Amino acid sequence: EPEVTQTPSHQVTQMGQEVILRCVPISNHLYFYWYRQILGQKVEFLVSFYNNEISEKSEIFDDQFSVERPDGSNFTLKIRSTKLEDSAMYFCASSPQRSNSPLHFGNGTRLTVT
Amino acid sequence: ILNVEQSPQSLHVQEGDSTNFTCSFPSSNFYALHWYRWETAKSPEALFVMTLNGDEKKKGRISATLNTKEGYSYLYIKGSQPEDSATYLCARPANTGNQFYFGTGTSLTVIP
Repeated sequence: EPEVTQTPSHQVTQMGQEVILRCVPISNHLYFYWYRQILGQKVEFLVSFYNNEISEKSEIFDDQFSVERPDGSNFTLKIRSTKLEDSAMYFCASSPQRSNSPLHFGNGTRLTVT
Repeated sequence: ILNVEQSPQSLHVQEGDSTNFTCSFPSSNFYALHWYRWETAKSPEALFVMTLNGDEKKKGRISATLNTKEGYSYLYIKGSQPEDSATYLCARPANTGNQFYFGTGTSLTVIP
C-alpha cells in the first residue's frame, strides 16, 4: 500500500539554524499538509497546500516557515531560523480529497532545537 | 478555531473489557469527523471518516457513532486487547475544509 514518507526521522539543530523537513506524499493525492505536535500538547495545524499553492496556514506558520513542492513529488517544510520552541514532532499528511477523505500521515520528523 | 474536545484523557482497562470514549465538537457547518489511532513510534492511522448524522461505522472490534446535531461522536472498543493500546484522536475539518482541528486524544492502555 502506498505511504507517505518523511526524512529525516530525527533532526537536531542549533537555535538560529535553518532546517528543511522532507516529505514524499502519496503520488495521486492532491492535498498536502504539515502538522506538528509539541510533546504533551495537541496536534497543531501548520499549513495546507493544494494546486501548487498554500490554501490555508495557521498563526504558527509565520515568516520563518515556508513550504515547497519543487518537483511534483517532494513536499518540503523549511524553517529559516529555528527557535527552541520549534522543537516538536512534525508530520506530513496527504489526502486525495478535502474533508471527506482520511489523512495519510508520514512517520514524522522529530526536530530538536538546542 | 474549532474547539474539539476528547474525554477521558487517558484510560486503563483490563484485557477483555469493552470501553468507549467521546469526541465533542462544534456542530455548526459540519462536514466530517475523523477518528485516528496513533500507536507509539508510528504515524496516526485513519480509522473512520463519518459524515452523516446517525452514522455508525465498524472496523473489527472498533465502532463509532456520530451525532452532528449535538456535536459528539463515540468510539467503542469491544473486548479490548493489548494491541489496542494507543492514543485515539478525533479531528474535524474547518469550514474551509483546508485544515483539520484535532482533539488532545484519549490514551488507552489495555492491561494483559
